[in-house]
Amino acid sequence: DTAVSQTPKYLVTQMGNDKSIKCEQNLGHDTMYWYKQDSKKFLKIMFSYNNKELIINETVPNRFSPKSPDKAHLNLHINSLELGDSAVYFCASSQEAGGTGSYNEQFFGPGTRLTVL
Amino acid sequence: AQKVTQAQTEISVVEKEDVTLDCVYETRDTTYYLFWYKQPPSGELVFLIRRNSFDEQNEISGRYSWNFQKSTSSFNFTITASQVVDSAVYFCALSEGNYGGRRALTFGSGTRLQVQP
Repeated sequence: DTAVSQTPKYLVTQMGNDKSIKCEQNLGHDTMYWYKQDSKKFLKIMFSYNNKELIINETVPNRFSPKSPDKAHLNLHINSLELGDSAVYFCASSQEAGGTGSYNEQFFGPGTRLTVL
Repeated sequence: AQKVTQAQTEISVVEKEDVTLDCVYETRDTTYYLFWYKQPPSGELVFLIRRNSFDEQNEISGRYSWNFQKSTSSFNFTITASQVVDSAVYFCALSEGNYGGRRALTFGSGTRLQVQP
């Protein structure tokens, strides 16, 4: 069973299009994240959700909109795609409940490689 | 603000050599967590280890070992008797002690390790 899954794995699209990437976790975790890995391999947090509430919203263009319909899903919708959006997008999840007494590592999905032409 | 520095961009070794990947971090929190992830050519992010700021014990797992030193803010990773399958990009990451979706990882820029046969 896949713990954190993402669809699609590859996404090739034209500039100006709108696309979505879906993420699902079956670990029962309460927190989910989106990270972006650019062509130089830099990994950076974009968003995090805790119990469907948006917690982290880094400096990301408004064209990116995350949506969490429930704790097990966190989707990423991108409007008006630009060349610079080409990257690998990773979804991750972790269990955060329990306060600061413990930390559980984040489990990453396989990534979605987005190519904007 | 937190920061992770991996000064070694790329390292090339011959199989069976030992290799150490350096990681230096900055944080103002007294409670934080350090991680190493491996990203093989297939692209997924593989969790290797988590270390809490209050636990400075070094750890060994098979051919892998980690040296955590708070005095120098370093969390170095050593692979003993390297193998071709160790070829990958290795990321060091830091998370501060907040919870509730705020424990996003700050990644270093990664070190590409090439192990030649």
